Amino acid sequence: ETGVTQTPRHLVMGMTNKKSLKCEQHLGHNAMYWYKQSAKKPLELMFVYSLEERVENNSVPSRFSPECPNSSHLFLHLHTLQPEDSALYLCASSQEGAGNTDTQYFGPGTRLTVL
Amino acid sequence: AQKVTQAQTEISVVEKEDVTLDCVYETRDTTYYLFWYKQPPSGELVFLIRRNSFDEQNEISGRYSWNFQKSTSSFNFTITASQVVDSAVYFCALSEASNNNDMRFGAGTRLTVKP
Repeated sequence: ETGVTQTPRHLVMGMTNKKSLKCEQHLGHNAMYWYKQSAKKPLELMFVYSLEERVENNSVPSRFSPECPNSSHLFLHLHTLQPEDSALYLCASSQEGAGNTDTQYFGPGTRLTVL
Repeated sequence: AQKVTQAQTEISVVEKEDVTLDCVYETRDTTYYLFWYKQPPSGELVFLIRRNSFDEQNEISGRYSWNFQKSTSSFNFTITASQVVDSAVYFCALSEASNNNDMRFGAGTRLTVKP
């Protein structure tokens, strides 16, 4: 039990659908992350939120839209996705302090398939 | 930018064998952090260890041990007396203090332990 949960665990959607991925952390952390893990590619950092403000967006297409309403919840809104967006989407959280890098703890991921 | 290389894509061993997973990193920062994560078939990344650049002391935790050598920019991971439950993909990762939200992962090494 890592304290980071993600729902749904599996999602199949068409290219015209709109869906959302949810992440919740129960660790009292102040930073949350979305990663994409595609087959045969390293984990790619998509978005970072620190104290509920987005601090990094690694050139992610606008069809992915993150939302962080509070320090415990993180959403990834999906619309008009492409088949190549099929991947495992992982959420993580950490406790960031002044110049300190703390460990990121990951959720179980959402396996997304875009038809 | 930092870079992590895991040259071994797949390793297969028989139970009770020792196995070493290699990790080589590149960074210009003098302060950085190294991590190992385990990803079992369930998908969740499980944190194993974190090391900062000022602590080259090797670490042992049960059957797991880590060898950090700054002279060769390596942070290798050894499993002693491997077990079938050790079968997973193992990721090495690096985070720089100057950009602590951006953790870079290696491509991962898939370890299969056969009975």
